Amino acid sequence: NAGVMQNPRHLVRRRGQEARLRCSPMKGHSHVYWYRQLPEEGLKFMVYLQKENIIDESGMPKERFSAEFPKEGPSILRIQQVVRGDSAAYFCASSPRQGKYEQYFGPGTRLTVT
Amino acid sequence: DQQVKQNSPSLSVQEGRISILNCDYTNSMFDYFLWYKKYPAEGPTFLISISSIKDKNEDGRFTVFLNKSAKHLSLHIVPSQPGDSAVYFCAAGINAGGTSYGKLTFGQGTILTVHP
Repeated sequence: NAGVMQNPRHLVRRRGQEARLRCSPMKGHSHVYWYRQLPEEGLKFMVYLQKENIIDESGMPKERFSAEFPKEGPSILRIQQVVRGDSAAYFCASSPRQGKYEQYFGPGTRLTVT
Repeated sequence: DQQVKQNSPSLSVQEGRISILNCDYTNSMFDYFLWYKKYPAEGPTFLISISSIKDKNEDGRFTVFLNKSAKHLSLHIVPSQPGDSAVYFCAAGINAGGTSYGKLTFGQGTILTVHP
């Protein structure tokens, strides 16, 4: 399967715990994007990363959220001290280069905060 | 501030007929547009895209039309099939000077149901 991989698919955390979401882009893709979908809403952009660089984090909440895309390994979206409002589907997408319009999405991680 | 809007939450169509999904946008800086299909518990699947320099793009049963003056785009599916039943999202982006900013702005989605 050469598609975008995300894990875990489902994640349950209690309020105050940390959530770590992982994304492996498609082979040959060096651009990663994270989006969040709240119930009954469309996808909202969070952050755009290239290897070792954050390009645009304008959609990321200023506190508790962070993202990285290291030289080796998957991209990580980290949510510290989760609250109930963080419950959502988090999708990762990748594209091969700048200027290439299409983004290809993974299956998502469904985060539930209890 | 909803810059991309899909005003129809749902659409029901008979198999074999045409499905027309609509999308409006407000930001005149958007210069490329995409349609995605999404099944429950899965990620969005890319369908078709169009650059603002075109007014039509066709790929098999799917055609996207862009009306820049009206800031409106539509997706036509002909003929519709039961397997097309899904949520359809339109999305828009800005590609300034050949450097994509990457960020896509999505509409709220339209649930398409195709009846056999």
